[in-house]
Amino acid sequence: DTEVTQTPKHLVMGMTNKKSLKCEQHMGHRAMYWYKQKAKKPPELMFVYSYEKLSINESVPSRFSPECPNSSLLNLHLHALQPEDSALYLCASSQAGQPEQFFGPGTRLTVL
Amino acid sequence: SQQGEEDPQALSIQEGENATMNCSYKTSINNLQWYRQNSGRGLVHLILIRSNEREKHSGRLRVTLDTSKKSSSLLITASRAADTASYFCATDVESNYQLIWGAGTKLIIKP
Repeated sequence: DTEVTQTPKHLVMGMTNKKSLKCEQHMGHRAMYWYKQKAKKPPELMFVYSYEKLSINESVPSRFSPECPNSSLLNLHLHALQPEDSALYLCASSQAGQPEQFFGPGTRLTVL
Repeated sequence: SQQGEEDPQALSIQEGENATMNCSYKTSINNLQWYRQNSGRGLVHLILIRSNEREKHSGRLRVTLDTSKKSSSLLITASRAADTASYFCATDVESNYQLIWGAGTKLIIKP
């Protein structure tokens, strides 16, 4: 299996909701990433997990909470989001220490 | 954080023509990669060129790297409608999993 899957594809949520984004890969990659991408912009790194431990947090607001339950799964828990958080959220993985990243199709998030 | 610039920001060419995109960056790098993103979808890794390489080919793709000018170019030969996408360059400066992304070039191939 050479792909990264993300669910859901689309998510609409209110500012008081709690929701989670899920990412899964079965390539044996030990690094996993969350990115946020606004329209016509490059992806912005949010979090990096290396060997299931959070290694990079790019000063992301606490309303975004990542979780890495095991080496294949990555979650992003969302709570009390703002309309400006509406974006495409991308998950990626890579072999440890390798620069090539493999991306999932993304979750299109709309916050009302 | 965004290290580099890409030009042009947008490029529209006829099918069959060659497309060239450029990427400039600011600091010394380990590697430079190019990714493609179809509208509103995930990014696909196209090619990686290491700092000690000057040119690399993959199918219809040709990448060059000029470390003295801190720039790279991506050439797509014999373009097809399916090449319509945004193209991003990304560099890794330190081996800590962080990529520094360019602003991207939006390529449109007209049939």
